[in-house]
Amino acid sequence: SQQGEEDPQALSIQEGENATMNCSYKTSINNLQWYRQNSGRGLVHLILIRSNEREKHSGRLRVTLDTSKKSSSLLITASRAADTASYFCATDMLQGAQKLVFGQGTRLTINP
Amino acid sequence: ETGVTQTPRHLVMGMTNKKSLKCEQHLGHNAMYWYKQSAKKPLELMFVYNFKEQTENNSVPSRFSPECPNSSHLFLHLHTLQPEDSALYLCASSQARGGAEETQYFGPGTRLLVL
Repeated sequence: SQQGEEDPQALSIQEGENATMNCSYKTSINNLQWYRQNSGRGLVHLILIRSNEREKHSGRLRVTLDTSKKSSSLLITASRAADTASYFCATDMLQGAQKLVFGQGTRLTINP
Repeated sequence: ETGVTQTPRHLVMGMTNKKSLKCEQHLGHNAMYWYKQSAKKPLELMFVYNFKEQTENNSVPSRFSPECPNSSHLFLHLHTLQPEDSALYLCASSQARGGAEETQYFGPGTRLLVL
């Protein structure tokens, strides 16, 4: 069964607005990671949050983690056209070392 | 540029062909991965190699055969594929530390079309 599920599946906003994507998972985790993928290309790591952390920032990115709800959110502030991409959460489960399980992703479109 | 390269970038093959995908990482990592990404499906982990040893085979059909001659190179040998095997095949590498906090670095992928 799928571990990570992103919500929404697609999001379209105007440049300058904030974009929020959510991820839910089913089993206990070591950490949760967010990746970005431009169309037809490889994934690029954005940020990692450990299971004992609640919030983390990196530039315009803010990630939260709620282990009691088994959910995470990715906030991109002051969006730019170049942020248009698909965003995936990936969980590194307590069992199954070296195994990241990816969600289906959120397709984000930033309109100029 | 992530330090992981894949060749070829695009491949069209018939169902009776035999071809190989190549991945090379220049990051000094000790773990390498093959993923399959199909339209409208989550990224599927296929194989994991740690220090050249296969540690994961995620119920992949035998028409996909991985090979890891050293920690820097990973191959995926393809034979008698089906049209449903058409997808983007992604290679990744990481510095395995017993499962904790392993960020994976991805190559650009090989877009495979099986006719």
